[in-house]
Amino acid sequence: EDKVVQSPLSLVVHEGDTVTLNCSYEVTNFRSLLWYKQEKKAPTFLFMLTSSGIEKKSGRLSSILDKKELFSILNITATQTGDSAIYLCAAGNNRKLIWGLGTSLAVNP
Amino acid sequence: EAEVAQSPRYKITEKSQAVAFWCDPISGHATLYWYRQILGQGPELLVQFQDESVVDDSQLPKDRFSAERLKGVDSTLKIQPAELGDSAMYLCASSLGTSGPGQYFGPGTRLTVT
Repeated sequence: EDKVVQSPLSLVVHEGDTVTLNCSYEVTNFRSLLWYKQEKKAPTFLFMLTSSGIEKKSGRLSSILDKKELFSILNITATQTGDSAIYLCAAGNNRKLIWGLGTSLAVNP
Repeated sequence: EAEVAQSPRYKITEKSQAVAFWCDPISGHATLYWYRQILGQGPELLVQFQDESVVDDSQLPKDRFSAERLKGVDSTLKIQPAELGDSAMYLCASSLGTSGPGQYFGPGTRLTVT
């Protein structure tokens, strides 16, 4: 059965800390892995990863995919209170996306 | 910037009543998705359309839920009759194709069934 597992489920850090969020997947005919940020509204798209070892960066956020070990990580450096959100990972083939439960990140001032 | 539109944003209904949600995807996006999200969980796919055709509705409770995208553009999701357990956020998303470059979500409809 296709599945996506995120860890940790929740995390509390202080401003300025660096965090690493994990996403492991088992998806038949895997094509891509996506990261989303969700605050008190709909998820917003962060990254799509399709190739191993190529880091995607956007400001203080970066992500990388390991297709051999079937996981991805999302790094956030120098965290800010505005980074507090649920971070969702989804892995897909050419038909559907399988979603993880998310990691709830709280950044305290 | 193009966005996915949804309405209403909030809906309160009594159980056994009918309720409908509307979604207008980003122009040119052939693939449209309806998700249900319960607080604290990831989105659960209800139905996926490719143009006007249903690609996947395996998780749609077909005894009470229906979805259509008659002209391959906007879509409606209907629940009849609503049950207490249907209270959730209903999200619509669209993408250019089925494999990316990522799904773009609308603001969602928060449904409360009393």
